[in-house]
Amino acid sequence: DVKVTQSSRYLVKRTGEKVFLECVQDMDHENMFWYRQDPGLGLRLIYFSYDVKMKEKGDIPEGYSVSREKKERFSLILESASTNQTSMYLCASSPGTGGFSGANVLTFGAGSRLTVL
Amino acid sequence: GQNIDQPTEMTATEGAIVQINCTYQTSGFNGLFWYQQHAGEAPTFLSYNVLDGLEEKGRFSSFLSRSKGYSYLLLKELQMKDSASYLCAVMDSNYQLIWGAGTKLIIKP
Repeated sequence: DVKVTQSSRYLVKRTGEKVFLECVQDMDHENMFWYRQDPGLGLRLIYFSYDVKMKEKGDIPEGYSVSREKKERFSLILESASTNQTSMYLCASSPGTGGFSGANVLTFGAGSRLTVL
Repeated sequence: GQNIDQPTEMTATEGAIVQINCTYQTSGFNGLFWYQQHAGEAPTFLSYNVLDGLEEKGRFSSFLSRSKGYSYLLLKELQMKDSASYLCAVMDSNYQLIWGAGTKLIIKP
């Protein structure tokens, strides 16, 4: 089974703190993604990566950065947490881009619920 | 702009059939996905449609009409464990996923 593991299920941080969310996948997937999920909204893409050391901005990158030093690991960093970053953060991976469906099927981690006070 | 619409919440009875609709307006189309998400858990892949028509997978079927920008997920012989949110997502011309807000399905005995 493909597994995507997120390091923390629940975090509580204070405004201005630096926050690291880590994600590891064990199926040699090329692509990794960070989303946030808020009630009443669709998943919103923060950043994604198609290869080691590569990163691309998603729809809402402001206030976030990412790191992908190894193929299996994709970290999301909040340099200075703010209350409007309180959310559920979902990491996902997929085999690779391309024109066939399997390449684009996402496998998600269980999520990290972040509360910023 | 790009938009995916699906009902916020639906209620159905155990053993019955329910249809969850999804309409979309996107820049291009490279397939439509359905995911299931139980409360507090990760979304899991259910189905993928890129051509018009019906795809059947056991109790679940997914239908696509590209000309109408419309899809539905059909769940038969509903079980209590089908209580979950169902997420519709469309892959646009840049192979980026556009997500609906999800439909929360409540199953009553």
